[in-house]
Amino acid sequence: NAGVTQTPKFQVLKTGQSMTLQCAQDMNHNSMYWYRQDPGMGLRLIYYSASEGTTDKGEVPNGYNVSRLNKREFSLRLESAAPSQTSVYFCASSESAGYGYTFGSGTRLTVV
Amino acid sequence: GESVGLHLPTLSVQEGDNSIINCAYSNSASDYFIWYKQESGKGPQFIIDIRSNMDKRQGQRVTVLLNKTVKHLSLQIAATQPGDSAVYFCAENISSNDYKLSFGAGTTVTVRA
Repeated sequence: NAGVTQTPKFQVLKTGQSMTLQCAQDMNHNSMYWYRQDPGMGLRLIYYSASEGTTDKGEVPNGYNVSRLNKREFSLRLESAAPSQTSVYFCASSESAGYGYTFGSGTRLTVV
Repeated sequence: GESVGLHLPTLSVQEGDNSIINCAYSNSASDYFIWYKQESGKGPQFIIDIRSNMDKRQGQRVTVLLNKTVKHLSLQIAATQPGDSAVYFCAENISSNDYKLSFGAGTTVTVRA
């Protein structure tokens, strides 16, 4: 019962570097999401994928891109990292709209 | 038990007491609400949910109350235990056809032994 698996757990980047955060779920969920969590601000939606083959912007999409590689995997890419992207990133999945999400354990990203 | 006003960022509770965590949601059109628990270093964990056609729902040691008139949601934890120490978030969904949840800022609950 892995649920939602995120890699890496920790990452330090220099400003301008790129990286991809990986997320995979084994629950056969249709929908997947990327959130960022900053102190005192709760979770904010970056991008989501309602179903395989579709992606949509969330509340804070600037500076990010996503790929829904298949039903299991949903990756988040930072093309040119900025210090403002220092945050904890959570991937989540849900069976469909209206159901509670299952979250991964997060990736703590620091951009220096 | 201990009662707090509308969304305080922290709550300190004596072990064994009941906890009440409050949340004011923003959109009167929201029809689905969820409470999450997040322990240090972990991702949020689903606790309980409620749809707008209900005003109360009970789980194991937890009860969620929904007051749509004042757009208020609360989570009650009975007989609070040390393992209940965490950050608690409420989330709302504007539509059952909308995939996006909107999260509150969270309340940090500390259980005193």
